[in-house]
Amino acid sequence: QKEVEQDPGPLSVPEGAIVSLNCTYSNSAFQYFMWYRQYSRKGPELLMYTYSSGNKEDGRFTAQVDKSSKYISLFIRDSQPSDSATYLCAMSASGGTSYGKLTFGQGTILTVHP
Amino acid sequence: DGGITQSPKYLFRKEGQNVTLSCEQNLNHDAMYWYRQDPGQGLRLIYYSQIVNDFQKGDIAEGYSVSREKKESFPLTVTSAQKNPTAFYLCASSSNRAGEQYFGPGTRLTVT
Repeated sequence: QKEVEQDPGPLSVPEGAIVSLNCTYSNSAFQYFMWYRQYSRKGPELLMYTYSSGNKEDGRFTAQVDKSSKYISLFIRDSQPSDSATYLCAMSASGGTSYGKLTFGQGTILTVHP
Repeated sequence: DGGITQSPKYLFRKEGQNVTLSCEQNLNHDAMYWYRQDPGQGLRLIYYSQIVNDFQKGDIAEGYSVSREKKESFPLTVTSAQKNPTAFYLCASSSNRAGEQYFGPGTRLTVT
């Protein structure tokens, strides 16, 4: 079983829809949670960064972390065609010798149709 | 502009040849990382370095080598021992232990 599981999709939605992307994980030591957006043939871009449990909002994007369920989500409101990309969740533990080593989900491919 | 540069963008090599991928950052970050990405898969860590002249193996280090002689540079050599070298290679850097990493644009390596 992988440490981080992410539904690869693909996910196809109409413009304006609310998109929900999710990851589950098994390592209870994970404290830092990130969402990256990756356009085709480009490097990933850090989208959201959250520490421990709770919600974080940035414009149309909301990240949620539920450590008790080992479950994280990214919500995109009023989705746009420019949101079409692969979304990768990533997480890391604090302390120890890992020094910020990230464990990634396999990514969800999202397409937003005009 | 601050950021991470990788070169070249595309690289083609014959099987059996070693090849070196460049990664440079001017963000003054201590830590640098190399990842490999295959179609439909997430990123897998090859090597990482926390400080100059020191580096550690990641999850898939076999067939790869690195050096960290300068803070801003972390080149990756894909050796002939790497069985499946064709992939998209990504370099990243970070200034903190919390894992907030910033990525370069990537190098697509094709070995035939």
